[in-house]
Amino acid sequence: AQKITQTQPGMFVQEKEAVTLDCTYDTSDPSYGLFWYKQPSSGEMIFLIYQGSYDQQNATEGRYSLNFQKARKSANLVISASQLGDSAMYFCAMRGVNQGGKLIFGQGTELSVKP
Amino acid sequence: DSGVTQTPKHLITATGQRVTLRCSPRSGDLSVYWYQQSLDQGLQFLIQYYNGEERAKGNILERFSAQQFPDLHSELNLSSLELGDSALYFCASSVELGPVNNEQFFGPGTRLTVL
Repeated sequence: AQKITQTQPGMFVQEKEAVTLDCTYDTSDPSYGLFWYKQPSSGEMIFLIYQGSYDQQNATEGRYSLNFQKARKSANLVISASQLGDSAMYFCAMRGVNQGGKLIFGQGTELSVKP
Repeated sequence: DSGVTQTPKHLITATGQRVTLRCSPRSGDLSVYWYQQSLDQGLQFLIQYYNGEERAKGNILERFSAQQFPDLHSELNLSSLELGDSALYFCASSVELGPVNNEQFFGPGTRLTVL
């Protein structure tokens, strides 16, 4: 069975500092993708970053980077230089090659950026 | 703006009633996914359609059904509504079916309140 675990229900970070949001996963699929989404209080789901299980390098998108450790089955999101607008829920998700197209989501981490 | 539209944005109804949620995918996307986000269950995959055909089912109740029409828009029908069906319902779309790196673009969601 596939599972995503986010162990931090809530986190605080000072503006302009970096923060790491944890995500561990479990799957038996030989190939899979890992995604991070941001959900602000307005409710929409915003795609942030993607990491493929066979990608050699960690993914980066602007201030977002993914610390992918395949042996540990972890895919942590790192946000550098936090901004007040980063305050939101963050969801880690996985899509396995044998699971059709569905995304399996973790429970989310609520990030609050303090001025 | 993801390019995925959902109507209505908000829906308030009573127990026992039936509602229809509508989704228009991004132009060119053939695959549509429905997700339910509730406080107790988190974000859960309900069902997926690809070019008019059902491709995958998740934790979708028998009281719920969906379809994708020839113009690729999709509808999610919820009947015999219960208080526990109150949730945010997302539609997402993607171009293809298979690749794990296939990003899913989420609509703004329909917030259903069952009184």
